[in-house]
Amino acid sequence: LAKTTQPISMDSYEGQEVNITCSHNNIATNDYITWYQQFPSQGPRFIIQGYKTKVTNEVASLFIPADRKSSTLSLPRVSLSDTAVYYCLVGDMAGGFKTIFGAGTRLFVKA
Amino acid sequence: NAGVTQTPKFQVLKTGQSMTLQCAQDMNHNSMYWYRQDPGMGLRLIYYSASEGTTDKGEVPNGYNVSRLNKREFSLRLESAAPSQTSVYFCASSEARGREQYFGPGTRLTVT
Repeated sequence: LAKTTQPISMDSYEGQEVNITCSHNNIATNDYITWYQQFPSQGPRFIIQGYKTKVTNEVASLFIPADRKSSTLSLPRVSLSDTAVYYCLVGDMAGGFKTIFGAGTRLFVKA
Repeated sequence: NAGVTQTPKFQVLKTGQSMTLQCAQDMNHNSMYWYRQDPGMGLRLIYYSASEGTTDKGEVPNGYNVSRLNKREFSLRLESAAPSQTSVYFCASSEARGREQYFGPGTRLTVT
């Protein structure tokens, strides 16, 4: 199972773009990269998933370099409501996928 | 469409007592999961069920048992609760193993 490393916490201000980087040096060929968001007293919520290059949806973008040993979650123009913990997961979609949530990155968005 | 529901929301047990946490999903998902989350920590996988009729151990299975009752329901049982099992328990489901997971609201369990 590929282990992930993320910053413990980050601060930002409303309206800024936030980039959270995750390292996964031993990612396997079949592994996908998935990001979740968790608010206090709630279960995690899926944000985005990708395999390589760039993926974008209505809430975030995910950048994955060619070697796939890291990935960056980009949140455009954050608001106070984006204050949460963000988890990066790496696993095989096809099978043998055992979800490993690390400690995540605590993002604080200030006014 | 309720998504993933969990009961109870809160529970206090004495050491040695047993209880079952219930989880149900109405999204026709094949895979279901049980996690625990200790204060300030990430989630740790206890057990998962890749499909109806199958269960498998996760990262921290000791002290727990699970039952995949049918496609909708996946229960977690503590046979003899210990203070170390004080935690928030989340159930999740996904269309298939490895796909995005949908989480329930959690059960806050305190063992005294």
